[in-house]
Amino acid sequence: EAQVTQNPRYLITVTGKKLTVTCSQNMNHEYMSWYRQDPGLGLRQIYYSMNVEVTDKGDVPEGYKVSRKEKRNFPLILESPSPNQTSLYFCASSLGPSLNEQFFGPGTRLTVL
Amino acid sequence: KQEVTQIPAALSVPEGENLVLNCSFTDSAIYNLQWFRQDPGKGLTSLLLIQSSQREQTSGRLNASLDKSSGRSTLYIAASQPGDSATYLCAVNGNQFYFGTGTSLTVIP
Repeated sequence: EAQVTQNPRYLITVTGKKLTVTCSQNMNHEYMSWYRQDPGLGLRQIYYSMNVEVTDKGDVPEGYKVSRKEKRNFPLILESPSPNQTSLYFCASSLGPSLNEQFFGPGTRLTVL
Repeated sequence: KQEVTQIPAALSVPEGENLVLNCSFTDSAIYNLQWFRQDPGKGLTSLLLIQSSQREQTSGRLNASLDKSSGRSTLYIAASQPGDSATYLCAVNGNQFYFGTGTSLTVIP
């Protein structure tokens, strides 16, 4: 089944404790991205990747890191999480930004205490 | 920077009505416009994708139009059903994607 998977689905952590949210897609998509969704602000793009080893900042990259060592995986890293990073995070993939639709993962609900 | 606005923020209609959701964007230099549906606590499901060279797309009871020059798109839902209740999001993109804040739709049986 074609899908985007994220892990974990739910995470509660404390300020400053490094964490990684994994994202994987099995559709051989070149374009992958991370979003956060907050009430009243909608979805905002954090980082995106056009292909392996190519990543770019979206609208809200501060406090986040990403890597794209393989085409299928695009982990989101929070080196020192803070309470303002409490949010619902989505990973998405597509063949390319100008091609076809984006497919979204199920989301990761992160709470930083 | 691209800004995407969706009006209305919330809409409640009786079952069977036809309805229109609106999306506007400030920068017409886009590759695509995509409409999504999001159910509470769930991820996003793609409904329709309109490429910048197209004017509309249809899928079942859904029809989406795009007027790139005026920065507007509409999503038309025919004969609404309670199962259509969800939040509807539009997104436009160049290399980056920009989302509206959505329209929360309730269809009353």
